[in-house]
Amino acid sequence: DIRMTQSPSSLSASVGDRVTFTCRASQAVNGYISWYQQRPGKAPKLLIYAASALEYGVPPRFSGSGSGTDFSLTISSLQPEDFVTYYCQQTYSVPYTFGQGTELQI
Amino acid sequence: EVQLVESGGDLVQPGGSLRLSCAASGFTFSSYSMTWVRQAPGKGLEWVANINHDGFEKYYVDSVKGRFTISRDNAQNSLYLQMNSLRAEDTAVYSCARAGQTWRALNTWGQGTLVTVSS
Repeated sequence: DIRMTQSPSSLSASVGDRVTFTCRASQAVNGYISWYQQRPGKAPKLLIYAASALEYGVPPRFSGSGSGTDFSLTISSLQPEDFVTYYCQQTYSVPYTFGQGTELQI
Repeated sequence: EVQLVESGGDLVQPGGSLRLSCAASGFTFSSYSMTWVRQAPGKGLEWVANINHDGFEKYYVDSVKGRFTISRDNAQNSLYLQMNSLRAEDTAVYSCARAGQTWRALNTWGQGTLVTVSS
């Protein structure tokens, strides 16, 4: 199984900051990386797929990058509604594992 | 509107069984692979199982292999998860999700149904 490791587990920031989360796969995943945002008590929302493609309707302050085993999600200017939890997932090889999540705290 | 609605969650004793359903609407269900994801209370997301568009390819996380069965009825636009030999560690909110056709990203999610395994 491919292990996904997100870092940090939590991150403190302020409105307007630029932040980057990282996700490392235990083996190459050929760009099959997605990023999700989850608000408390709500279903996850797809932000980024194919490592860097912005899902329709997602604000352009979100961006993804990376290749091989190392990927990142960047939020260019934090808004109040961005202080929630983010997960990466690989869909290259079953089981399609998630990272453990990064909680963004104000 | 694309929508997924889960049902069937309940309180069940260890060793018991439960069948979850996911009703899909607003898209051509038979064209998409579907996935079950679970989230234990206060924990992260865990991919559970996936079924391809015609139901002939099924994949499971190791912890549920031999106990859970994913299936679908394309005529009824429905996805199912039959869960047997339930354990306390299966307690979670179970959500169904639609997978994108190329990159398999989960682009539509239901709100989930709670399964509690406890005596």
